[in-house]
Amino acid sequence: DSGVTQTPKHLITATGQRVTLRCSPRSGDLSVYWYQQSLDQGLQFLIQYYNGEERAKGNILERFSAQQFPDLHSELNLSSLELGDSALYFCASSVGLAANEQFFGPGTRLTVL
Amino acid sequence: GQSLEQPSEVTAVEGAIVQINCTYQTSGFYGLSWYQQHDGGAPTFLSYNALDGLEETGRFSSFLSRSDSYGYLLLQELQMKDSASYFCAVEGQNFVFGPGTRLSVLP
Repeated sequence: DSGVTQTPKHLITATGQRVTLRCSPRSGDLSVYWYQQSLDQGLQFLIQYYNGEERAKGNILERFSAQQFPDLHSELNLSSLELGDSALYFCASSVGLAANEQFFGPGTRLTVL
Repeated sequence: GQSLEQPSEVTAVEGAIVQINCTYQTSGFYGLSWYQQHDGGAPTFLSYNALDGLEETGRFSSFLSRSDSYGYLLLQELQMKDSASYFCAVEGQNFVFGPGTRLSVLP
């Protein structure tokens, strides 16, 4: 158990819909990262937040947005969903700004029908 | 931009030693990390190199050569439970994971 929690574990929705994925980092960790992993694919970095501020942006679509709240939990919002958005979405956290050692949550499996 | 290359698959037998290579191209470089991911599971951190040289953690070691933009993960005394995917990841201007190497350990 990494100490990072993600909800929900599974999500099934339809094209065009909007969903919110939630992540709580390990106690004391200030950075939160979001990743997308499609079937048999590597991990695509989406975005990093540090202490409430956006720090780095990867290949995140304009239909996706994220935020980190004062209590350091983070939410990833996915809108106008397409079939291709079906994937595992991982959240990770680290102590500081550096991304050297990240602790990953169990992931949210999103299925878009 | 940033890109990383790793072999897609490696196969070895129990008790053997295996090396997984990673070459990278990056804008800015802070360090190279390695993660293990079992099927259906989350990635778990293995090691991190910011400076040239070898870092050893139990049966796993990781090496970095910044001048060659190259690193490797060395797994010794392979066990069946080491069968998994292994990802290198570069921390630079951004954070990028490699495509992953699937390691199969045979009895």
